[in-house]
Amino acid sequence: EPEVTQTPSHQVTQMGQEVILRCVPISNHLYFYWYRQILGQKVEFLVSFYNNEISEKSEIFDDQFSVERPDGSNFTLKIRSTKLEDSAMYFCASDTEAFFGQGTRLTVV
Amino acid sequence: KQEVTQIPAALSVPEGENLVLNCSFTDSAIYNLQWFRQDPGKGLTSLLLIQSSQREQTSGRLNASLDKSSGRSTLYIAASQPGDSATYLCPRNGGTYKYIFGTGTRLKVLA
Repeated sequence: EPEVTQTPSHQVTQMGQEVILRCVPISNHLYFYWYRQILGQKVEFLVSFYNNEISEKSEIFDDQFSVERPDGSNFTLKIRSTKLEDSAMYFCASDTEAFFGQGTRLTVV
Repeated sequence: KQEVTQIPAALSVPEGENLVLNCSFTDSAIYNLQWFRQDPGKGLTSLLLIQSSQREQTSGRLNASLDKSSGRSTLYIAASQPGDSATYLCPRNGGTYKYIFGTGTRLKVLA
């Protein structure tokens, strides 16, 4: 069964560093999303991406965040200068019927 | 104001019980409705998808229904098992394909 793959599963980074979270969506899907879940809290929408551009973003998705699909298969989320409060699970999803990846746990120290 | 309200917030039951989990939306404009389960520290696993033209969907011991007019959905779990223990989520998809999540129902089924 096709699945959304996220790497790495866990990343630890120092505050102020840049991180790139990677996702490989299911190949024929057209819509892509990033969500995050701070420990103990609900899943929150960050951004949706369609036709190689952002279609919608939340208030959380400020200038320190960016997304791109560099090679037609990978879908990445970049956090330019990480803060302690960016520590969370980050989920990638694809398609209108959301297929979620298993997440990347980001820990900012 | 919560967009997605799930009741109960937590539930602990003995194995074998039939369960009802409820979900309601402040905005009843719903494109489709998907129920997920999330195990601790893990990703989201899709359980059932009710398409925009449907009212319910069944898979094994699970049955989900959707009443768009009232903005409510219900997940029935028959003959619960310890392996059903997880958090159950019913995010709202209002048609722009992004999902708005509630805090879920934390289910614990005791052996």
